[in-house]
Amino acid sequence: KAGVTQTPRYLIKTRGQQVTLSCSPISGHRSVSWYQQTPGQGLQFLFEYFSETQRNKGNFPGRFSGRQFSNSRSEMNVSTLELGDSALYLCASSPDRSGRETQYFGPGTRLLVL
Amino acid sequence: QKEVEQNSGPLSVPEGAIASLNCTYSDRVSQSFFWYRQYSGKSPELIMSIYSNGDKEDGRFTAQLNKASQYVSLLIRDSQPSDSATYLCAVILNSGGYQKVTFGTGTKLQVIP
Repeated sequence: KAGVTQTPRYLIKTRGQQVTLSCSPISGHRSVSWYQQTPGQGLQFLFEYFSETQRNKGNFPGRFSGRQFSNSRSEMNVSTLELGDSALYLCASSPDRSGRETQYFGPGTRLLVL
Repeated sequence: QKEVEQNSGPLSVPEGAIASLNCTYSDRVSQSFFWYRQYSGKSPELIMSIYSNGDKEDGRFTAQLNKASQYVSLLIRDSQPSDSATYLCAVILNSGGYQKVTFGTGTKLQVIP
């Protein structure tokens, strides 16, 4: 089975721009979660989608949004980029999200905001 | 108080020794706990999950959970240089009606040959 894929792998943007990141989960997985990882804050949960619905969310501002398509692929959008948004963005998929299934992480998208 | 706390390390142990990694969490009602390993430049990968008080063993790894003390640990027996990585503790917390996966900042483990 192919693993979780994320595109693009690297991205450079400037302040004020917006960005869309894509995540394709493992085939058959219906839950996709997004995380931001920075050296200072560690790995922080953004949100989780299941069957095209946002099921859980973390404590990020509304500039961070996402969606999930019927094929379980997910996109994450960040509007009005700030320097502090520079980070590694990881998505993870699991068959379900009852809290007990293993999450499989993708390779991440490294975003640099200048 | 941070929701999930880990000692950042680095924790250095000689090859063949037992490495002990610790994690405390703030939400008394949390039910699901995970240990991930992350090599430098790579994504996290799940090592162990634990849901009940006590010990859970998988090969060289043992997870220990004490809900009364709000404490979860990971023991790595016969540590190998390939175990050198950052170990992340994750807890599912309930926040405002949502379930939020909260990670500690990780403990860097160095196994010295």
